[in-house]
Amino acid sequence: EAGVAQSPRYKIIEKRQSVAFWCNPISGHATLYWYQQILGQGPKLLIQFQNNGVVDDSQLPKDRFSAERLKGVDSTLKIQPAKLEDSAVYLCASGLTGNNSPLHFGNGTRLTVT
Amino acid sequence: KNEVEQSPQNLTAQEGEFITINCSYSVGISALHWLQQHPGGGIVSLFMLSSGKKKHGRLIATINIQEKHSSLHITASHPRDSAVYICAVRPIQGAQKLVFGQGTRLTINP
Repeated sequence: EAGVAQSPRYKIIEKRQSVAFWCNPISGHATLYWYQQILGQGPKLLIQFQNNGVVDDSQLPKDRFSAERLKGVDSTLKIQPAKLEDSAVYLCASGLTGNNSPLHFGNGTRLTVT
Repeated sequence: KNEVEQSPQNLTAQEGEFITINCSYSVGISALHWLQQHPGGGIVSLFMLSSGKKKHGRLIATINIQEKHSSLHITASHPRDSAVYICAVRPIQGAQKLVFGQGTRLTINP
């Protein structure tokens, strides 16, 4: 089974620029998550999708972050404009529906904002 | 106070030592996950448990639902076990979301 695919692996941008990350979940996984992990901290949920609908985006800074999963499969996360404090690893995870289904994580995108 | 607290935050040990990492949480949960994150950033799921104890190779995970506490043990530790170990819980009220601890950075010296 192919895992969760994320790209790019690394990205360096200047503050105020825009950036987009892409995630392709495991086939058949209805639930998709984007997490932000700042160095030295645990991952923080940004947004959770169930198919193409948003379940939870309460911690997404909506003035600069946006995410979509238009066809209920792959997803993009965008930051516009980026700030220095957005430097982090952005992790995508997917899972089947159900409270006791394991999550599968991608390798993440490491963003550095200079 | 975070909903999920791990201890210690950093742990350095010699090869062969028995390792224990602790996780305490404050909400009712349907499951608890132990995850391993290597320096490259990717996260691997080690265990998902809702009661009792699970064992996989040299790794053992236990959970006490009444005390809201879980432990991850590593027997005969090896330098390749060096990683960040993260505890994450799935709250009963939470529509499948995971709440993460801050992680424990484990370093095993040869």
